Amino acid sequence: GAGVSQTPSNKVTEKGKYVELRCDPISGHTALYWYRQSLGQGPEFLIYFQGTGAADDSGLPNDRFFAVRPEGSVSTLKIQRTERGDSAVYLCASSLEASGGLNEQFFGPGTRLTVL
Amino acid sequence: AQSVTQPDIHITVSEGASLELRCNYSYGATPYLFWYVQSPGQGLQLLLKYFSGDTLVQGIKGFEAEFKRSQSSFNLRKPSVHWSDAAEYFCAVEDQAGTALIFGKGTTLSVSS
Repeated sequence: GAGVSQTPSNKVTEKGKYVELRCDPISGHTALYWYRQSLGQGPEFLIYFQGTGAADDSGLPNDRFFAVRPEGSVSTLKIQRTERGDSAVYLCASSLEASGGLNEQFFGPGTRLTVL
Repeated sequence: AQSVTQPDIHITVSEGASLELRCNYSYGATPYLFWYVQSPGQGLQLLLKYFSGDTLVQGIKGFEAEFKRSQSSFNLRKPSVHWSDAAEYFCAVEDQAGTALIFGKGTTLSVSS
């Protein structure tokens, strides 16, 4: 079946603009995660959804970042007033349910965000 | 706080030679540990994971890893590397909440002919 998909694959924007990044998880997966991967670094956790609710948003760097998952499937990561430091690859992952290590997180190919 | 250290930023191995990628973790309790591989333009793919039990874990593509609690290590090994193994490898530990993965900075593997 289809894996996790993310759109767009690349996004170039100007400093101060608003961007939305979309994630389509694997069908039937209730848990969804967003990570950010800066150049030369490993992915860093941003936010985790169980169903429609954000169960853990402790990784969001500041209030410019926000994510939603209104119907428990597709999720959108929203970044307001983008800054050059927001440039990174944003990864989405999904799993059958909250992991506890038992459910593999399947990752999408990522969206590369460049803020000029 | 939990953390993962991958001491080697870049490793070059000859095709057919053996491979060991190092990973050290910091975690208070019994950790859930993972190795992922990331090829250019591809998403992260799970190679193997450790939860409990046998400390030698077998994964896909001929990889294995050994959990050593005394050394806080979870090193990845492969007896004979293929050119297609060239990629970036990430070690990760699950956080105490049981949701997020905490990744190391990764090791880039190059394979020479």
